[in-house]
Amino acid sequence: AQSVTQPDIHITVSEGASLELRCNYSYGATPYLFWYVQSPGQGLQLLLKYFSGDTLVQGIKGFEAEFKRSQSSFNLRKPSVHWSDAAEYFCAVGAGNQFYFGTGTSLTVIP
Amino acid sequence: DVKVTQSSRYLVKRTGEKVFLECVQDMDHENMFWYRQDPGLGLRLIYFSYDVKMKEKGDIPEGYSVSREKKERFSLILESASTNQTSMYLCASSSPRGLNTGELFFGEGSRLTVL
Repeated sequence: AQSVTQPDIHITVSEGASLELRCNYSYGATPYLFWYVQSPGQGLQLLLKYFSGDTLVQGIKGFEAEFKRSQSSFNLRKPSVHWSDAAEYFCAVGAGNQFYFGTGTSLTVIP
Repeated sequence: DVKVTQSSRYLVKRTGEKVFLECVQDMDHENMFWYRQDPGLGLRLIYFSYDVKMKEKGDIPEGYSVSREKKERFSLILESASTNQTSMYLCASSSPRGLNTGELFFGEGSRLTVL
């Protein structure tokens, strides 16, 4: 069965520090992978997606993610976090005709 | 600009009431989805639809039904609301090529409280 695991429920970083959010997936075939961000009280916005090709993908707002097949991971990174990045982040797998989401990681940014 | 609009951002209903949550998309997408979001549980799929008048159960369909009479509109219905249906409800749409390759476009959510 398909599943997505985000092991970190909550992360706190200082503004300007680097960030890495972890995502592991379970899927038998080549996955289609996504990262979404949700600001408080809002819907989800796509940050980036991976279908094939280059395993390092660039997204909006300075985010990037790297697909590592051997580790079944798709971790999200940002070199320097801004206070406006405080939000909830969801990793998702597109499998068959559905999307499977992780439980999310809540990011707090300290000034 | 792509837009998914959920008619009600906040609703308060009483146990046993019938509740309608409406979702409209202006992107001519074939596929539409209803998710429920709860703290610690992430997004769980309630129902989805690939075409007008078509619907498929998701992971947690119990207590819910849906209606898709027009391509742009997908309604979620709670026939008799219960307190355990207090939650954030998210509507999303995607194009056919986006079944598992594209992306989901989300509305801003409807926060339902059942008293």
